[in-house]
Amino acid sequence: GAGVSQTPSNKVTEKGKYVELRCDPISGHTALYWYRQSLGQGPEFLIYFQGTGAADDSGLPNDRFFAVRPEGSVSTLKIQRTERGDSAVYLCASSITGYNEQFFGPGTRLTVL
Amino acid sequence: SQQGEEDPQALSIQEGENATMNCSYKTSINNLQWYRQNSGRGLVHLILIRSNEREKHSGRLRVTLDTSKKSSSLLITASRAADTASYFCATLYGNNRLAFGKGNQVVVIP
Repeated sequence: GAGVSQTPSNKVTEKGKYVELRCDPISGHTALYWYRQSLGQGPEFLIYFQGTGAADDSGLPNDRFFAVRPEGSVSTLKIQRTERGDSAVYLCASSITGYNEQFFGPGTRLTVL
Repeated sequence: SQQGEEDPQALSIQEGENATMNCSYKTSINNLQWYRQNSGRGLVHLILIRSNEREKHSGRLRVTLDTSKKSSSLLITASRAADTASYFCATLYGNNRLAFGKGNQVVVIP
């Protein structure tokens, strides 16, 4: 079956621009997660959705970051006024429930020039 | 903040040898998971061990969990060149968030 998909696979933008990153979870998975991974580091938690609501957004670094999941399936991570420090691979994962294994997408590599 | 801390961080072995990685964590967990990552992109789930389990096997993988020492180990037996990757442990705690360590870079030499 189809796994978690993320688009775009690569995004290059200029400092100060707005970007949107999309995640399509595995069908039927109610839990969806966003992580960010910098070079040489492990993924870092950003936000967790259970259904349509953000159950835990404590990992978002500041108010330039926002994520939505309006219909409980596809999610969009939005970054305003991008900074060079936002450059990283943004990973999305989904799971059947919040306590099961998480299945990761291939990630979006964001580069802010 | 990251909880998991793998040890060692880089491992180079000959094909056919066993590879062992360790991971420690700081707070109580619901479960601990090991992931593999190739080329810095998609993470592949390998195995999940719950806090009330002590050992789990999956194919050539063996994971142990010692909650009293807050540590886990991953053993890959009879390693293959295709096992070359980064391996991460991640603890599930609190509101269903995974906390990853920095990862182990494993290179299997054919």
